[in-house]
Amino acid sequence: SQTIHQWPATLVQPVGSPLSLECTVEGTSNPNLYWYRQAAGRGLQLLFYSVGIGQISSEVPQNLSASRPQDRQFILSSKKLLLSDSGFYLCAWSPERGLSYNSPLHFGNGTRLTVT
Amino acid sequence: AQSVAQPEDQVNVAEGNPLTVKCTYSVSGNPYLFWYVQYPNRGLQFLLKYITGDNLVKGSYGFEAEFNKSQTSFHLKKPSALVSDSALYFCAVRDFPSGGYQKVTFGTGTKLQVIP
Repeated sequence: SQTIHQWPATLVQPVGSPLSLECTVEGTSNPNLYWYRQAAGRGLQLLFYSVGIGQISSEVPQNLSASRPQDRQFILSSKKLLLSDSGFYLCAWSPERGLSYNSPLHFGNGTRLTVT
Repeated sequence: AQSVAQPEDQVNVAEGNPLTVKCTYSVSGNPYLFWYVQYPNRGLQFLLKYITGDNLVKGSYGFEAEFNKSQTSFHLKKPSALVSDSALYFCAVRDFPSGGYQKVTFGTGTKLQVIP
């Protein structure tokens, strides 16, 4: 069966420090991968999505970047964190387009980031 | 552009009573609708989906949802609420824009509180 792992679970970082959040998926190949941010425990905002290695698309301009160095690995990064980067970051996957007609998104357990 | 609305910020229901969490949608074309549940500090979990077929969809944990095309609604229901159902519930609509990924628009979430 497929599983998705995110780490760390919680992170406290000072303003101006770098960030690296990692997400890996097991048990599937060629997944579509997504980074979401959930602010104030409610609305979800799509930050990045990827349909393949090295293929990253951004939904909103921001202080963050994403990379996909391997098929099932998705990394969220920042060179210098801002206070406004605080939030709950969720990684998700879905089967590649041709197989995802009936499939929901599958989410990791998230990373709680606090920028101080 | 597609959208979903969850008009209730919070729903309170007594344990053992039926529950309804409301969702309305706006899409061009056929709707692909989902319900997800989120427990504190966890990722979203898929509950059920409507793609096509019967208007009453059954999902996990005894939940079901009724698709109503004329009212553009997709309300989540359960005949008898449990305290353990207390969580945050998200309605979502999915599209497949060019690029091969799922574009999922989430509602703002409804907090369900089941009172013992």
